[in-house]
Amino acid sequence: DTGVSQDPRHKITKRGQNVTFRCDPISEHNRLYWYRQTLGQGPEFLTYFQNEAQLEKSRLLSDRFSAERPKGSFSTLEIQRTEQGDSAMYLCASSLGTGISDTQYFGPGTRLTVL
Amino acid sequence: DQQVKQNSPSLSVQEGRISILNCDYTNSMFDYFLWYKKYPAEGPTFLISISSIKDKNEDGRFTVFLNKSAKHLSLHIVPSQPGDSAVYFCAARPISNFGNEKLTFGTGTRLTIIP
Repeated sequence: DTGVSQDPRHKITKRGQNVTFRCDPISEHNRLYWYRQTLGQGPEFLTYFQNEAQLEKSRLLSDRFSAERPKGSFSTLEIQRTEQGDSAMYLCASSLGTGISDTQYFGPGTRLTVL
Repeated sequence: DQQVKQNSPSLSVQEGRISILNCDYTNSMFDYFLWYKKYPAEGPTFLISISSIKDKNEDGRFTVFLNKSAKHLSLHIVPSQPGDSAVYFCAARPISNFGNEKLTFGTGTRLTIIP
């Protein structure tokens, strides 16, 4: 399977715990994005990377959130001291990063439930 | 401020007929538009896109129309098939420009194809 993969697919945690999600993009894609989707809403942008550089962060990304892409390949998204409001689907996408018609391809998502 | 709006939360269409999903946007900087399809517990799947230099783009059963003056686009599916039942998201972004690649999504329209 050469699509975007995410791990884990589901995570249940208690409030106050830290969680980390992993995303593996399509292999030749330079850009990697994180989005969050809550019930009844469309995905909302969190942050994105061009290779290993984090180029933009949304205001949604509080200080408790950190994302890395250490070698320009896979990425991790960590949430510290989770809150119930963090419960959502966390989506990763990747793209080639070339030209006007650059298209983002999404992974299956990680569903986070904070109890 | 909802910059991309999908005003119909749901739509039911008879199998074999045309499905028309609508999307409006308010940000004049948006120049590239995409439609994604999403099944439950999966990530969004890219369907079709259009840039602002065109008013129509066709791919098999899917056609996207763009009316830039009205800031309106629509997705036509002909003929509709049961496998088309899913949530459809409209997304938009400015033409690829360093730092402006994030997608802004609508809230989605749930399409149900009735056999």
